[in-house]
Amino acid sequence: ELKVEQNPLFLSMQEGKNYTIYCNYSTTSDRLYWYRQDPGKSLESLFVLLSNGAVKQEGRLMASLDTKARLSTLHITAAVHDLSATYFCAVVWNTGNQFYFGTGTSLTVIP
Amino acid sequence: EAGVTQFPSHSVIEKGQTVTLRCDPISGHDNLYWYRRVMGKEIKFLLHFVKESKQDESGMPNNRFLAERTGGTYSTLKVQPAELEDSGVYFCASSPPLAGGRYTQYFGPGTRLTVL
Repeated sequence: ELKVEQNPLFLSMQEGKNYTIYCNYSTTSDRLYWYRQDPGKSLESLFVLLSNGAVKQEGRLMASLDTKARLSTLHITAAVHDLSATYFCAVVWNTGNQFYFGTGTSLTVIP
Repeated sequence: EAGVTQFPSHSVIEKGQTVTLRCDPISGHDNLYWYRRVMGKEIKFLLHFVKESKQDESGMPNNRFLAERTGGTYSTLKVQPAELEDSGVYFCASSPPLAGGRYTQYFGPGTRLTVL
């Protein structure tokens, strides 16, 4: 079974600072997703990473994928309060359709 | 375009009772998924429908859980009888009929189930 490890679980950071969330997975995969969830809301798709070396950026968030290391990162630049949310990575195993999720990172940006 | 909707948003029941959760996917999405997040744990897959057929139900925990998708539109997930360990947030997701379903999944807000 594919295992997905995400860290840190909790992250409290000051506005204006940079930080990185890590997502490691145990088995070859060709598709990795990052989602954001605000309390009581749906999981919102942020990025889809499809190949080794893929990098996607949207605003203050940048995601990258290293399939050889089985590692994806979500980098936050100059954090603002609006980024406070829980972030999940999810991996699709090559032979299936189900998503395997990390445990989520609860991010709090302090003014 | 309306997103994935789930009903109810919260449900509190006693052990041994029955609860039915409903999911309405995005219109035109053949693929429908159920996931569950138990407190402090990762979101785990339960099952996958393609239209009205169960494509993969390998994540269903036991036979107290019954999922249906009559007519290939909305889906229900029934828990009967509910046990304490069934408490958690149940998410539904849907995706378009592309590439065997391996496409971005759009999630609903979840149903928070508490079994007392």
